[in-house]
Amino acid sequence: NAGVTQTPKFRVLKTGQSMTLLCAQDMNHEYMYWYRQDPGMGLRLIHYSVGEGTTAKGEVPDGYNVSRLKKQNFLLGLESAAPSQTSVYFCASSTRDRGAGETQYFGPGTRLLVL
Amino acid sequence: RKEVEQDPGPFNVPEGATVAFNCTYSNSASQSFFWYRQDCRKEPKLLMSVYSSGNEDGRFTAQLNRASQYISLLIRDSKLSDSATYLCVVNTFSGGYNKLIFGAGTRLAVHP
Repeated sequence: NAGVTQTPKFRVLKTGQSMTLLCAQDMNHEYMYWYRQDPGMGLRLIHYSVGEGTTAKGEVPDGYNVSRLKKQNFLLGLESAAPSQTSVYFCASSTRDRGAGETQYFGPGTRLLVL
Repeated sequence: RKEVEQDPGPFNVPEGATVAFNCTYSNSASQSFFWYRQDCRKEPKLLMSVYSSGNEDGRFTAQLNRASQYISLLIRDSKLSDSATYLCVVNTFSGGYNKLIFGAGTRLAVHP
């Protein structure tokens, strides 16, 4: 099993450009999450999904959209990138809600630089 | 005030040393607690859950003090491979979902 994979690993964008980050998991997990990690701050939840076809906002959803058309994939979109979206983005998945102690498995991250 | 606060470190310790990390959280309604480990430029990985009675996993011991809203992680007999950033994570059910709040992490560097 590959676990959780993320594409791309690194990207440089200009302000105003758009892009989509792809997360894929092969563990048949119901729950998937997108986080961002910034220096000096903990990971913050952007959006999450509790199953195919469902998405919900996390703590910092502004400027991002998501889709979960297939159970194994969770896409994060930036419609008009801003320098404030420069960050490391992590995708994660879990069988059940990770708040109850269910282990969540993280992807390797995508480093995004917005100029 | 941050919801989860950790000393950023770095903690520089020799191999074999015992080192302790502390974490405080602000929401008394928080329900579950975890320590994650994150290696440089890698993804976080769950190290252990933290239970009210305290729990141990090999060289690692986690403690929770709900009254003081304080969590600790003790590492005994430090190894070079323990060098990483340790993230304190607190879960609270809020806004209709389980909200995991990650601390910014404490960096540990173990040297020979």
